[in-house]
Amino acid sequence: SQQGEEDPQALSIQEGENATMNCSYKTSINNLQWYRQNSGRGLVHLILIRSNEREKHSGRLRVTLDTSKKSSSLLITASRAADTASYFCALIYNQGGKLIFGQGTELSVKP
Amino acid sequence: EPEVTQTPSHQVTQMGQEVILRCVPISNHLYFYWYRQILGQKVEFLVSFYNNEISEKSEIFDDQFSVERPDGSNFTLKIRSTKLEDSAMYFCASSLQTAYNEQFFGPGTRLTVL
Repeated sequence: SQQGEEDPQALSIQEGENATMNCSYKTSINNLQWYRQNSGRGLVHLILIRSNEREKHSGRLRVTLDTSKKSSSLLITASRAADTASYFCALIYNQGGKLIFGQGTELSVKP
Repeated sequence: EPEVTQTPSHQVTQMGQEVILRCVPISNHLYFYWYRQILGQKVEFLVSFYNNEISEKSEIFDDQFSVERPDGSNFTLKIRSTKLEDSAMYFCASSLQTAYNEQFFGPGTRLTVL
């Protein structure tokens, strides 16, 4: 399968804690993108990390990519109740620009 | 901040009817996409469009589906004869200069086929 496998499927934490979500894949990619989806809503782009990059930051988000292990992680620091959402990794392979989405991690941040 | 817009937000139709879902991508973007998400499932790629033609399509995108960029700003997805299993959220997305950039998604159209 070309899609990313995300882990965990669900994560429940307290406000202020950090949340880490992982994505693993099987074949070489061009880039990997992380998206957030609030219940029943659209997809919000968070970060894109290219295959020649190892780490990227955006505000409270940190994404790492280990191409030798074919895995990526998304870290949300100092989580807030508003971070409650589903988080998806989406892969782009070198054969074209379509995004291949994983099943997602459902994050619940309790106040 | 520029954003992708989609209309309608919700469309209800009878099985066998034709529907057209509309999208206005971000104005200087060159690549356009349709994805769908059946309730409770992952987001699936349908089709990509560049330079006024389809660049890639999935197995889902069969002969009942078509896309068009009729006027240089709108990007439409037509489903000719809807089936119950077409009920899903349909997302339009666009990206800037290459197929390997960030894709920005619209809010989606929820299609319900009765």
